[in-house]
Amino acid sequence: AQSVTQLGSHVSVSEGALVLLRCNYSSSVPPYLFWYVQYPNQGLQLLLKYTSAATLVKGINGFEAEFKKSETSFHLTKPSAHMSDAAEYFCAVSESDNNNDMRFGAGTRLTVKP
Amino acid sequence: DSGVTQTPKHLITATGQRVTLRCSPRSGDLSVYWYQQSLDQGLQFLIQYYNGEERAKGNILERFSAQQFPDLHSELNLSSLELGDSALYFCASGPSGGASNEQFFGPGTRLTVL
Repeated sequence: AQSVTQLGSHVSVSEGALVLLRCNYSSSVPPYLFWYVQYPNQGLQLLLKYTSAATLVKGINGFEAEFKKSETSFHLTKPSAHMSDAAEYFCAVSESDNNNDMRFGAGTRLTVKP
Repeated sequence: DSGVTQTPKHLITATGQRVTLRCSPRSGDLSVYWYQQSLDQGLQFLIQYYNGEERAKGNILERFSAQQFPDLHSELNLSSLELGDSALYFCASGPSGGASNEQFFGPGTRLTVL
């Protein structure tokens, strides 16, 4: 069965620094990959998704992720962190067209220091 | 605002009781997904409905059931509640359930079982 592993349950960066959140996946077929963000007391919001088109995916709020098949990775990056980026980030994988087998990682809490 | 509404926001009840969580999907979305988010299990897919019919089941306990009504709103019924059922329950909706389609998450219902 497909799965994702998010390395680092907590990541802390300074404002203006590079954000790098790591995600590795396991899938028996070409996967669909997603990054979601969850702000305190809110539901999840899609940041970006990979669906076998371009390997470098640009999302909202300046985030992007690169699909690397050889490394089974889909790391999330942002060149310059803002205070408003502080949230929990979830990587997810799906193998089906129906999207009903989505598996989420454990999440990474991003803290941004002034 | 994702357009997905969930009621109630908070629910406090006792062990052995039964509760019903309600979800209204975005206008036009046919698919509804239910997820449970807890500290120890993370975010887990429970069940999906598509246009009134059950499409897929995930890690849903037999004590839990769901349905989707003709107006496309959905209800998740949790019975014989246990302390371990305390969690955030999210509903998400999507147009047709395809993996290339985004799932839009509601704000969640926080269930506390005492």
